Amino acid sequence: KNQVEQSPQSLIILEGKNCTLQCNYTVSPFSNLRWYKQDTGRGPVSLTIMTFSENTKSNGRYTATLDADTKQSSLHITASQLSDSASYICVVSANTGFQKLVFGTGTRLLVSP
Amino acid sequence: GAGVSQSPRYKVAKRGQDVALRCDPISGHVSLFWYQQALGQGPEFLTYFQNEAQLDKSGLPSDRFFAERPEGSVSTLKIQRTQQEDSAVYLCASSFDYQGSQPQHFGDGTRLSIL
Repeated sequence: KNQVEQSPQSLIILEGKNCTLQCNYTVSPFSNLRWYKQDTGRGPVSLTIMTFSENTKSNGRYTATLDADTKQSSLHITASQLSDSASYICVVSANTGFQKLVFGTGTRLLVSP
Repeated sequence: GAGVSQSPRYKVAKRGQDVALRCDPISGHVSLFWYQQALGQGPEFLTYFQNEAQLDKSGLPSDRFFAERPEGSVSTLKIQRTQQEDSAVYLCASSFDYQGSQPQHFGDGTRLSIL
């Protein structure tokens, strides 16, 4: 069964600190891995997309890594801001003729002043 | 429009009623997806359209769920004889490419509550 697991489930950090979120997946056939940010009451917003051959990708203060051999990914947030408080969802795309997205349950991040 | 628009934002219905949820994708986007997001969970795939063709509906929970996109733009998700377990946020996403390999742009969802 295609699954995406994330850890931790929730996290509280102080403003200005860094943090790293983890993702493990068992999705086949693998196409790409995405990280989304979801604010409360809003739809998810894409942060990064990585294919099998990419092992790191950055978007501002967000840096995602991918180890396709171990089927693990991480999202590193640098110099956190209050506006980073949100759920971060790891999403793996299975290529079934189209990109069928399998979502993790997310890590809820709270950045405290 | 500038983004994916969904309406209504909130819908409350009594068990057994029919509901219709609307999605206006970004203009020109050929791929359209519907997802169901239960409280505290990640979204789950419901169905996929390429223009007006519904190419995959394997995620629809039951035959009470029906989706259409008759002219290849606006889409409607209809739920007949609603039940309490249908309560969730229904998200629509669109992508400009044919397979959705590019970022999917999400609307803010319709929060459905069945009493």
